[in-house]
Amino acid sequence: AQKVTQAQTEISVVEKEDVTLDCVYETRDTTYYLFWYKQPPSGELVFLIRRNSFDEQNEISGRYSWNFQKSTSSFNFTITASQVVDSAVYFCALSDANTGNQFYFGTGTSLTVIP
Amino acid sequence: EAGVAQSPRYKIIEKRQSVAFWCNPISGHATLYWYQQILGQGPKLLIQFQNNGVVDDSQLPKDRFSAERLKGVDSTLKIQPAKLEDSAVYLCASSLDRIGELFFGEGSRLTVL
Repeated sequence: AQKVTQAQTEISVVEKEDVTLDCVYETRDTTYYLFWYKQPPSGELVFLIRRNSFDEQNEISGRYSWNFQKSTSSFNFTITASQVVDSAVYFCALSDANTGNQFYFGTGTSLTVIP
Repeated sequence: EAGVAQSPRYKIIEKRQSVAFWCNPISGHATLYWYQQILGQGPKLLIQFQNNGVVDDSQLPKDRFSAERLKGVDSTLKIQPAKLEDSAVYLCASSLDRIGELFFGEGSRLTVL
């Protein structure tokens, strides 16, 4: 069965610190997609990144970077030099080819960046 | 490009009453989803449409929830009768196809008293 675990419920950091949000997933499928979404206080889920299971290359986008490791079934998200605007709930999600794009979301990590 | 539109943003009803939520996806997006997000949890899929056909409604409580997407564009989610545990944010999302990323609306927050 598909499952996404975000063990960190809440994280607080001081502005400019780096922070890593953990995501561990379970699936029996060989073809799947992993996502990160940001949910600010306004409530709308904002897409951040998608990776497919065949591409383990790490990705960097500005202050954001993602570390995908199939060996440990992890897809961790790091924010470098955090800012107050990064305060939000972050969700990791899994979608596999067999379920026609049904997304399995983790329970989310609430990040608070303290000025 | 306009995003996913949802209404109403907020709704307060008493238990056993009915409520309906509306969603208009991004133009051209064939796949539409309704998710339920209870406070402190991740979104849970209720129903997925591909054009006007249902792809997955296995987690939809069909005794009280119904959804339709008659013309393959906008969609309505109805709850009748509502229970206290239905208090949640109802998120609509759309995607271009069945493997693309989801684009979410701002959600409709339901409070059942």
